Amino acid sequence: DVKVTQSSRYLVKRTGEKVFLECVQDMDHENMFWYRQDPGLGLRLIYFSYDVKMKEKGDIPEGYSVSREKKERFSLILESASTNQTSMYLCASSLMTGGRSPLHFGNGTRLTVT
Amino acid sequence: GQNIDQPTEMTATEGAIVQINCTYQTSGFNGLFWYQQHAGEAPTFLSYNVLDGLEEKGRFSSFLSRSKGYSYLLLKELQMKDSASYLCAVRDNGNDYKLSFGAGTTVTVRA
Repeated sequence: DVKVTQSSRYLVKRTGEKVFLECVQDMDHENMFWYRQDPGLGLRLIYFSYDVKMKEKGDIPEGYSVSREKKERFSLILESASTNQTSMYLCASSLMTGGRSPLHFGNGTRLTVT
Repeated sequence: GQNIDQPTEMTATEGAIVQINCTYQTSGFNGLFWYQQHAGEAPTFLSYNVLDGLEEKGRFSSFLSRSKGYSYLLLKELQMKDSASYLCAVRDNGNDYKLSFGAGTTVTVRA
């Protein structure tokens, strides 16, 4: 089974702090994703990476950056956290781009910015 | 972009059948996914449709009509453990990696 592990289940940070969310997958998947999930809005794509050191912006990249230095690890960075970034953050990976290759999700990190 | 609509909540009785509808308006289409998400847990993959018709997988079935921009997920012989949120997601053929998600339908199964 694919395992996608997010380093923290819950985080509480202060406005203006730099925040790192870490994600590791163990199945040698090419693609990794960061989504945020908010009530009534569904999952929205923040960033996507299809290879080491490669990244593409999703629908809502503002206020976020990412890093993929190794294939198995994809980090989401909030340069200066704000209260509107309080959300559930979900990392996912997939074997291939396109087709029926599904996303495999981690359990999420619930971030609260005060 | 994609507009994906699904009902917010549904309630059904144990042993019954529930149908969750999903409609989408897309600039392109390259497949539709259904995911199940229990409270506090990760979404897990349920089904994939890219051609019109019905895909059956045990108690769960998923249907697609591309001309109508419509899909449904059918849950039969409901069990208490089926209480969860069900997410409809559409892949855009212009951006093959990208899945756009609906807001999810929370299904509550009552005894």
